[in-house]
Amino acid sequence: AQSVAQPEDQVNVAEGNPLTVKCTYSVSGNPYLFWYVQYPNRGLQFLLKYITGDNLVKGSYGFEAEFNKSQTSFHLKKPSALVSDSALYFCAVRDNPGANNLFFGTGTRLTVIP
Amino acid sequence: GAGVSQTPSNKVTEKGKYVELRCDPISGHTALYWYRQSLGQGPEFLIYFQGTGAADDSGLPNDRFFAVRPEGSVSTLKIQRTERGDSAVYLCASSFQVTLPSYEQYFGPGTRLTVT
Repeated sequence: AQSVAQPEDQVNVAEGNPLTVKCTYSVSGNPYLFWYVQYPNRGLQFLLKYITGDNLVKGSYGFEAEFNKSQTSFHLKKPSALVSDSALYFCAVRDNPGANNLFFGTGTRLTVIP
Repeated sequence: GAGVSQTPSNKVTEKGKYVELRCDPISGHTALYWYRQSLGQGPEFLIYFQGTGAADDSGLPNDRFFAVRPEGSVSTLKIQRTERGDSAVYLCASSFQVTLPSYEQYFGPGTRLTVT
């Protein structure tokens, strides 16, 4: 079985400050991990993924995420938040081998305060 | 190139009616997925196709839900005898072949279904 937990429903951060959106996962095999962002009235947009290799993954719009196998975490980070980063962020996992679909967390709403 | 498109963007229907939701994937993507997103929740898997066949329909909630992809491109999600609990945003996604699970899925804007 696979699962994803996003422990924070809401994260507020001041513009220019670093941001972190937390994600922990549980899989029976090797995890493939993804972050997506959802803007109002728009579909999910892919940000980045971890498949294998370097634990620090860089993605779109200056976002990065760190895979930590011992803590089963995949937190999303950005060194300096922008007001335009305000959106709903979803962490997702795919078990390998295992199911072909993505299993999503419940989402974290990020608000960047000017 | 064009992304995943879904029509209609909004659908309001009465309880008990039949609805069809359409998805047009990214050209060249052989894998197609349907998800359902309820308010305040993450997307939940419904069904995926590899080519024309439904390779995994384990997420369909009951036999009122059915999906087809007859030519391996456009897909239609069909819901019979709609219920108010079916109200949600239905998302379609596509990716390159699913046998390489590292490929990310690209999502359409969704169809917001409201059953009154």
